[in-house]
Amino acid sequence: QQPVQSPQAVILREGEDAVINCSSSKALYSVHWYRQKHGEAPVFLMILLKGGEQKGHEKISASFNEKKQQSSLYLTASQLSYSGTYFCGTRAGNTGKLIFGQGTTLQVKP
Amino acid sequence: DGGITQSPKYLFRKEGQNVTLSCEQNLNHDAMYWYRQDPGQGLRLIYYSQIVNDFQKGDIAEGYSVSREKKESFPLTVTSAQKNPTAFYLCASSIDAGTGGVNEQFFGPGTRLTVL
Repeated sequence: QQPVQSPQAVILREGEDAVINCSSSKALYSVHWYRQKHGEAPVFLMILLKGGEQKGHEKISASFNEKKQQSSLYLTASQLSYSGTYFCGTRAGNTGKLIFGQGTTLQVKP
Repeated sequence: DGGITQSPKYLFRKEGQNVTLSCEQNLNHDAMYWYRQDPGQGLRLIYYSQIVNDFQKGDIAEGYSVSREKKESFPLTVTSAQKNPTAFYLCASSIDAGTGGVNEQFFGPGTRLTVL
């Protein structure tokens, strides 16, 4: 039931790009993306809904393939501030209950 | 400023004692959630509440209890029945619990509970 994220960890240099994937075995209603800095609360990045609606930060882009139950988060021209752990949360029904993946740790180096 | 507060930030308890973690929000959100996070793992849902005086078990509710007597408050009690209570506990809220809305969850700063 828990979505699977890949890769588990990524190390980048500033300015490089990264893609983080999230796959579920269940049909999804929506996918949420959050970023968490060590010891802090997760911060909302983006929501992707079945049907194509999206809500999120302008500098973050993501896709949602409803047929494959997959979502990808695209981080372009990475900055040091992008470092942290990225979580996807999936909703399979019309409730607020989210199931989170195990996280992808991103480290951006100068 | 609107937001979610959790207190205390760090909490130490002896094994066998019940402990209550506070979560308050002034965002006028209907839905509230409690998550547990263990090192290197994702967030696991303990309980959630879509409306006052109603709540549902999440994936790991055993050993925990909650109440939702007021819209702005959703305290979590970690009971002595919880076998491994040491963890980082996060409270979150959203405008509502679904119904088709694009409703992100807002998280509090968390409480790190250590049971000695």
